Amino acid sequence: GAVVSQHPSWVICKSGTSVKIECRSLDFQATTMFWYRQFPKQSLMLMATSNEGSKATYEQGVEKDKFLINHASLTLSTLTVTSAHPEDSSFYICSAREGLPGELFFGEGSRLTVL
Amino acid sequence: SQKIEQNSEALNIQEGKTATLTCNYTNYSPAYLQWYRQDPGRGPVFLLLIRENEKEKRKERLKVTFDTTLKQSLFHITASQPADSATYLCALDTGRRALTFGSGTRLQVQP
Repeated sequence: GAVVSQHPSWVICKSGTSVKIECRSLDFQATTMFWYRQFPKQSLMLMATSNEGSKATYEQGVEKDKFLINHASLTLSTLTVTSAHPEDSSFYICSAREGLPGELFFGEGSRLTVL
Repeated sequence: SQKIEQNSEALNIQEGKTATLTCNYTNYSPAYLQWYRQDPGRGPVFLLLIRENEKEKRKERLKVTFDTTLKQSLFHITASQPADSATYLCALDTGRRALTFGSGTRLQVQP
């Protein structure tokens, strides 16, 4: 089946620094990728839809200047958490679909801890 | 407002029994509904997809029903095993490409 790879799987950073998370579709082309955030014991909340070659679409309440998304190729989307603060500590998961309808393939997730 | 509710935060059952998880939604008209399994610290993994015109879908020990009148889906695991212990998420596909997830039910199967 299709595979989505996410890196890094965990990262610890100091408050005020920026962190980049990569999401790759390994065996299919993904014109669209989705970034979710998950707090402990809570469900996945969609942050933004990443579109290859164009601007990302952000969900209401998600700051686009804080969570920069770049989808420069059909297999790679990146999420950069800028000027990270402790409240940004969370589990970030990317996903992609090969087509509609269809399942979402998820990356392994990235655990961000901001000190 | 739009809501997706899964019946309970946690469900404990004995090995060999059938686990039944519920997903109810309001103010959505999903074309499809999906179920995922999530283990701690991992991304969700797809289990089953059921279309709005399908009543039931099966895959090995898994069965999903979808009642668009009741706005409810039931997810069954028969002959449950300790390895089935995980969080199960229902997700609505309303055709906008991203999925909207319920809060999940944490299933614990006791040996």
